[in-house]
Amino acid sequence: IAGITQAPTSQILAAGRRMTLRCTQDMRHNAMYWYRQDLGLGLRLIHYSNTAGTTGKGEVPDGYSVSRANTDDFPLTLASAVPSQTSVYFCASSRDQGANVLTFGAGSRLTVL
Amino acid sequence: GQNIDQPTEMTATEGAIVQINCTYQTSGFNGLFWYQQHAGEAPTFLSYNVLDGLEEKGRFSSFLSRSKGYSYLLLKELQMKDSASYLCAAMDSNYQLIWGAGTKLIIKP
Repeated sequence: IAGITQAPTSQILAAGRRMTLRCTQDMRHNAMYWYRQDLGLGLRLIHYSNTAGTTGKGEVPDGYSVSRANTDDFPLTLASAVPSQTSVYFCASSRDQGANVLTFGAGSRLTVL
Repeated sequence: GQNIDQPTEMTATEGAIVQINCTYQTSGFNGLFWYQQHAGEAPTFLSYNVLDGLEEKGRFSSFLSRSKGYSYLLLKELQMKDSASYLCAAMDSNYQLIWGAGTKLIIKP
């Protein structure tokens, strides 16, 4: 089934640890995104990639990094996790940058203690 | 600044009609999206409006007024499975999506 796979589904980690959230899509979409969703707030864009080999900063990029070595994969890394990074993280993709429909992964729930 | 406003929560009765409003302020405009998100799940696309007017898709319709910076999502013949959060998002001139916090819709029998 075509779509986006995120891993892990859920993770608890200690503050200061490094963590990578994985995201893989099989739709050959050019654009990919990482969002965080917190109670009472809208989805906030962390980083994005309009095409393989390029990345850009979103609204809340601090403390996060991404890479886009190929079309399918877009991992998000927290270099040194802090409690304020406790959130649900959604990876999404669209055919291209622009007015295209986003397809979301199932989300990764991260708790930083 | 850029901003999206939508009600936090609404309650409606099974079989009834509900209208969820959304107002937006963006730097430029490239369309208005509505997504549905069931608790604990990913958002899924419902509708996209870029021109003024009403777009109907089965039990769901979405309306846009660009001059007023206003949209609504209309849900007819409500079913229990429509209990979810409804997210409004406007696309600015840089094709970045500005998201509202979502409207939690509670359907009562």
